[in-house]
Amino acid sequence: GESVGLHLPTLSVQEGDNSIINCAYSNSASDYFIWYKQESGKGPQFIIDIRSNMDKRQGQRVTVLLNKTVKHLSLQIAATQPGDSAVYFCAENNSGGYQKVTFGTGTKLQVIP
Amino acid sequence: DAGVIQSPRHEVTEMGQEVTLRCKPISGHDYLFWYRQTMMRGLELLIYFNNNVPIDDSGMPEDRFSAKMPNASFSTLKIQPSEPRDSAVYFCASSPGTGSGEQFFGPGTRLTVL
Repeated sequence: GESVGLHLPTLSVQEGDNSIINCAYSNSASDYFIWYKQESGKGPQFIIDIRSNMDKRQGQRVTVLLNKTVKHLSLQIAATQPGDSAVYFCAENNSGGYQKVTFGTGTKLQVIP
Repeated sequence: DAGVIQSPRHEVTEMGQEVTLRCKPISGHDYLFWYRQTMMRGLELLIYFNNNVPIDDSGMPEDRFSAKMPNASFSTLKIQPSEPRDSAVYFCASSPGTGSGEQFFGPGTRLTVL
Protein backbone atom coordinates (compact mmCIF):
# COMPACT_ATOMS: atom_id res chain seq x y z
CA GLY A 1 0.00 0.00 0.00
CA GLU A 2 0.95 3.64 -0.10
CA SER A 3 3.31 4.60 2.70
CA VAL A 4 5.80 7.12 3.94
CA GLY A 5 9.13 5.78 5.10
CA LEU A 6 12.44 7.10 6.38
CA HIS A 7 15.87 5.88 5.33
CA LEU A 8 17.73 6.30 8.62
CA PRO A 9 16.27 5.49 12.01
CA THR A 10 19.04 7.31 13.94
CA LEU A 11 21.26 10.21 12.96
CA SER A 12 24.12 11.49 15.11
CA VAL A 13 25.44 14.97 14.38
CA GLN A 14 28.07 17.14 15.99
CA GLU A 15 26.79 20.35 17.50
CA GLY A 16 27.20 23.17 15.02
CA ASP A 17 27.12 20.92 11.97
CA ASN A 18 24.24 20.77 9.54
CA SER A 19 21.77 17.89 9.71
CA ILE A 20 19.93 16.31 6.84
CA ILE A 21 16.97 14.04 7.52
CA ASN A 22 15.52 12.14 4.60
CA CYS A 23 12.10 10.78 3.80
CA ALA A 24 10.80 8.71 0.90
CA TYR A 25 7.16 8.71 -0.03
CA SER A 26 5.33 6.40 -2.38
CA ASN A 27 2.04 8.14 -3.10
CA SER A 28 2.64 10.20 -6.22
CA ALA A 29 -0.75 11.84 -5.71
CA SER A 30 0.30 13.45 -2.43
CA ASP A 31 0.52 17.20 -2.81
CA TYR A 32 1.28 18.39 0.69
CA PHE A 33 4.07 17.42 3.09
CA ILE A 34 4.88 18.36 6.65
CA TRP A 35 7.80 17.88 9.02
CA TYR A 36 7.17 17.45 12.72
CA LYS A 37 9.56 17.31 15.65
CA GLN A 38 8.81 15.22 18.71
CA GLU A 39 10.80 15.66 21.88
CA SER A 40 10.80 12.98 24.52
CA GLY A 41 7.54 12.89 26.47
CA LYS A 42 5.83 15.48 24.30
CA GLY A 43 3.50 15.56 21.34
CA PRO A 44 4.76 16.25 17.82
CA GLN A 45 5.38 19.89 16.98
CA PHE A 46 5.03 21.39 13.51
CA ILE A 47 8.28 22.54 11.92
CA ILE A 48 7.61 23.37 8.30
CA ASP A 49 5.42 22.34 5.40
CA ILE A 50 5.67 22.36 1.63
CA ARG A 51 3.22 21.96 -1.22
CA SER A 52 3.92 19.97 -4.33
CA ASN A 53 4.11 23.04 -6.53
CA MET A 54 7.31 24.01 -4.72
CA ASP A 55 10.67 22.28 -4.50
CA LYS A 56 12.16 24.25 -1.64
CA ARG A 57 10.96 26.16 1.36
CA GLN A 58 12.97 27.81 4.08
CA GLY A 59 12.21 28.59 7.67
CA GLN A 60 14.30 29.61 10.60
CA ARG A 61 17.41 27.38 10.44
CA VAL A 62 15.41 24.76 8.54
CA THR A 63 14.94 24.05 4.86
CA VAL A 64 12.69 21.46 3.28
CA LEU A 65 13.47 20.13 -0.17
CA LEU A 66 11.01 18.22 -2.28
CA ASN A 67 12.02 16.11 -5.27
CA LYS A 68 8.84 14.85 -6.89
CA THR A 69 10.74 12.97 -9.59
CA VAL A 70 12.16 10.50 -7.10
CA LYS A 71 9.49 11.06 -4.45
CA HIS A 72 11.94 12.25 -1.86
CA LEU A 73 11.68 14.81 0.90
CA SER A 74 14.43 16.13 3.13
CA LEU A 75 14.73 18.40 6.13
CA GLN A 76 17.92 20.34 6.55
CA ILE A 77 18.78 21.88 9.91
CA ALA A 78 21.56 24.45 9.91
CA ALA A 79 24.00 24.75 12.81
CA THR A 80 22.42 21.91 14.76
CA GLN A 81 21.97 22.60 18.46
CA PRO A 82 21.44 20.27 21.44
CA GLY A 83 17.82 21.42 21.55
CA ASP A 84 17.33 19.91 18.11
CA SER A 85 17.70 16.41 19.55
CA ALA A 86 14.35 14.74 18.94
CA VAL A 87 12.53 12.37 16.62
CA TYR A 88 11.59 13.91 13.30
CA PHE A 89 8.61 12.75 11.27
CA CYS A 90 7.65 13.52 7.74
CA ALA A 91 3.97 13.34 6.89
CA GLU A 92 2.05 13.44 3.65
CA ASN A 93 -1.54 14.10 2.89
CA ASN A 94 -3.30 11.21 1.25
CA SER A 95 -6.68 12.65 0.56
CA GLY A 96 -8.19 15.86 -0.66
CA GLY A 97 -7.38 18.86 1.46
CA TYR A 98 -4.55 19.27 3.92
CA GLN A 99 -6.07 17.85 7.04
CA LYS A 100 -5.62 14.10 6.86
CA VAL A 101 -1.97 13.12 6.78
CA THR A 102 0.00 9.90 7.14
CA PHE A 103 3.09 9.99 9.32
CA GLY A 104 6.35 8.24 8.51
CA THR A 105 8.21 6.07 10.98
CA GLY A 106 10.51 8.81 12.25
CA THR A 107 14.24 9.52 12.49
CA LYS A 108 15.93 10.10 15.79
CA LEU A 109 18.42 12.97 15.71
CA GLN A 110 21.13 12.92 18.36
CA VAL A 111 23.24 16.03 18.72
CA ILE A 112 26.67 15.45 20.15
CA PRO A 113 27.90 18.42 22.22
CA ASP B 1 -3.86 29.99 24.83
CA ALA B 2 -3.01 26.90 26.85
CA GLY B 3 -2.77 24.68 23.81
CA VAL B 4 -4.47 21.33 23.43
CA ILE B 5 -5.29 19.85 26.83
CA GLN B 6 -5.52 16.12 27.44
CA SER B 7 -6.47 14.19 30.52
CA PRO B 8 -5.44 12.09 32.19
CA ARG B 9 -1.73 12.22 31.40
CA HIS B 10 -1.27 8.67 32.59
CA GLU B 11 -3.75 5.87 32.95
CA VAL B 12 -3.16 2.37 34.24
CA THR B 13 -6.06 -0.03 34.10
CA GLU B 14 -6.79 -3.71 34.03
CA MET B 15 -7.88 -5.66 31.02
CA GLY B 16 -11.61 -5.50 30.51
CA GLN B 17 -12.08 -2.12 32.12
CA GLU B 18 -13.50 0.90 30.33
CA VAL B 19 -11.09 3.73 29.61
CA THR B 20 -12.07 7.28 28.69
CA LEU B 21 -9.55 9.77 27.37
CA ARG B 22 -10.41 13.44 27.19
CA CYS B 23 -9.34 16.32 25.00
CA LYS B 24 -9.94 20.04 24.88
CA PRO B 25 -8.83 21.51 21.55
CA ILE B 26 -7.53 25.00 20.98
CA SER B 27 -10.39 27.46 20.89
CA GLY B 28 -11.44 28.33 17.35
CA HIS B 29 -9.93 25.25 15.74
CA ASP B 30 -12.37 23.45 13.47
CA TYR B 31 -10.58 20.11 13.25
CA LEU B 32 -9.83 17.59 15.98
CA PHE B 33 -7.77 14.45 15.59
CA TRP B 34 -7.11 11.38 17.72
CA TYR B 35 -3.84 9.50 17.18
CA ARG B 36 -2.26 6.45 18.75
CA GLN B 37 1.51 6.04 18.99
CA THR B 38 3.36 2.78 19.59
CA MET B 39 6.88 1.63 18.90
CA MET B 40 5.64 -1.04 16.54
CA ARG B 41 3.15 0.96 14.49
CA GLY B 42 4.31 4.53 14.91
CA LEU B 43 1.82 7.38 14.88
CA GLU B 44 -1.58 6.30 13.56
CA LEU B 45 -4.61 8.45 12.90
CA LEU B 46 -7.66 6.93 14.55
CA ILE B 47 -10.38 9.44 13.75
CA TYR B 48 -10.87 13.09 13.00
CA PHE B 49 -13.71 15.58 13.32
CA ASN B 50 -14.62 18.74 11.46
CA ASN B 51 -16.95 21.13 13.27
CA ASN B 52 -17.78 18.36 15.77
CA VAL B 53 -18.77 15.90 13.04
CA PRO B 54 -16.73 12.70 12.54
CA ILE B 55 -15.26 12.79 9.05
CA ASP B 56 -13.06 9.73 8.88
CA ASP B 57 -12.98 6.92 11.43
CA SER B 58 -11.28 4.37 9.19
CA GLY B 59 -8.33 4.22 11.58
CA MET B 60 -10.38 3.11 14.57
CA PRO B 61 -9.11 -0.41 15.24
CA GLU B 62 -12.37 -2.07 16.14
CA ASP B 63 -15.74 -1.66 17.76
CA ARG B 64 -14.17 -1.45 21.19
CA PHE B 65 -13.06 2.06 20.29
CA SER B 66 -15.46 4.98 20.05
CA ALA B 67 -15.01 8.74 19.90
CA LYS B 68 -17.38 11.62 20.43
CA MET B 69 -17.27 15.36 20.14
CA PRO B 70 -20.40 16.76 21.82
CA ASN B 71 -19.24 20.36 21.38
CA ALA B 72 -16.43 22.44 19.93
CA SER B 73 -14.42 22.40 23.13
CA PHE B 74 -14.48 18.75 24.16
CA SER B 75 -13.90 15.28 22.77
CA THR B 76 -13.57 11.82 24.25
CA LEU B 77 -12.01 8.59 23.10
CA LYS B 78 -13.41 5.54 24.82
CA ILE B 79 -12.12 1.98 24.86
CA GLN B 80 -14.49 -0.66 26.17
CA PRO B 81 -13.38 -3.27 27.05
CA SER B 82 -9.68 -2.44 27.13
CA GLU B 83 -7.01 -4.99 26.22
CA PRO B 84 -3.23 -5.08 26.83
CA ARG B 85 -2.58 -4.41 23.13
CA ASP B 86 -4.30 -1.04 23.52
CA SER B 87 -1.36 0.14 25.60
CA ALA B 88 0.05 3.17 23.82
CA VAL B 89 0.31 6.94 23.96
CA TYR B 90 -2.85 8.57 22.66
CA PHE B 91 -2.57 12.07 21.24
CA CYS B 92 -5.24 14.58 20.51
CA ALA B 93 -4.51 17.36 18.01
CA SER B 94 -6.45 20.28 16.65
CA SER B 95 -6.12 22.39 13.55
CA PRO B 96 -7.66 25.68 12.43
CA GLY B 97 -8.21 24.19 8.99
CA THR B 98 -7.34 27.32 7.08
CA GLY B 99 -4.61 27.12 4.45
CA SER B 100 -1.92 25.22 6.33
CA GLY B 101 -2.51 21.69 7.55
CA GLU B 102 -0.53 22.35 10.72
CA GLN B 103 -1.84 20.33 13.61
CA PHE B 104 -1.29 21.29 17.23
CA PHE B 105 -0.75 18.27 19.43
CA GLY B 106 -1.55 17.80 23.07
CA PRO B 107 0.90 16.23 25.52
CA GLY B 108 -0.68 12.80 25.14
CA THR B 109 -2.15 10.21 27.48
CA ARG B 110 0.02 7.23 28.24
CA LEU B 111 -2.29 4.24 28.62
CA THR B 112 -1.16 0.99 30.17
CA VAL B 113 -3.56 -1.94 30.19
CA LEU B 114 -2.47 -4.77 32.45
